[in-house]
Amino acid sequence: QKEVEQDPGPLSVPEGAIVSLNCTYSNSAFQYFMWYRQYSRKGPELLMYTYSSGNKEDGRFTAQVDKSSKYISLFIRDSQPSDSATYLCAMTPGNNRLAFGKGNQVVVIP
Amino acid sequence: EAGVAQSPRYKIIEKRQSVAFWCNPISGHATLYWYQQILGQGPKLLIQFQNNGVVDDSQLPKDRFSAERLKGVDSTLKIQPAKLEDSAVYLCASSLTRGTGGLDEQFFGPGTRLTVL
Repeated sequence: QKEVEQDPGPLSVPEGAIVSLNCTYSNSAFQYFMWYRQYSRKGPELLMYTYSSGNKEDGRFTAQVDKSSKYISLFIRDSQPSDSATYLCAMTPGNNRLAFGKGNQVVVIP
Repeated sequence: EAGVAQSPRYKIIEKRQSVAFWCNPISGHATLYWYQQILGQGPKLLIQFQNNGVVDDSQLPKDRFSAERLKGVDSTLKIQPAKLEDSAVYLCASSLTRGTGGLDEQFFGPGTRLTVL
């Protein structure tokens, strides 16, 4: 079983729609849960992170972590064409060793 | 603040040739990472340095890959000899590592796209 599972299927949504992404994991030691955004031909950049369980909101983005279910989610409200990118979930116990999901390619259609 | 710099941005070689990648981390960042990102996959850590010492190289294929970080700043990653399956983007990242707890955010460079023919 892989440490982090992220269904890598591409996602196309119309502008203004809500984008919902999720990952599951198997390692109970993970404490930090991150979402990275990666534009084409660029390196990943940290979008937001959550420590332990709970929700975190940053503008149009909401991250949720449910440690009891080993399940994390990212929601993008009022999606914009500039949100078109690959979104990678990543996790670490806190020792800097990141475990990444495969990523979801999101396309927001104007 | 300047970001993580990598060169070259693209490289095409034939199998069994050797290749080297260079990374210059953000100034003052103690920890440097090399990741391999195969098309359609998330990045996989190859090696992690703190200053000029190796912290984790458990996923580095040591029979063909080597890396060094001289003087705790710049780093090079070398592949010799290259195989077809080494075709990937090689990402360098760096983090501050204050040691005071909390997330030690990793900042990524743009990567080097390697194609092995």
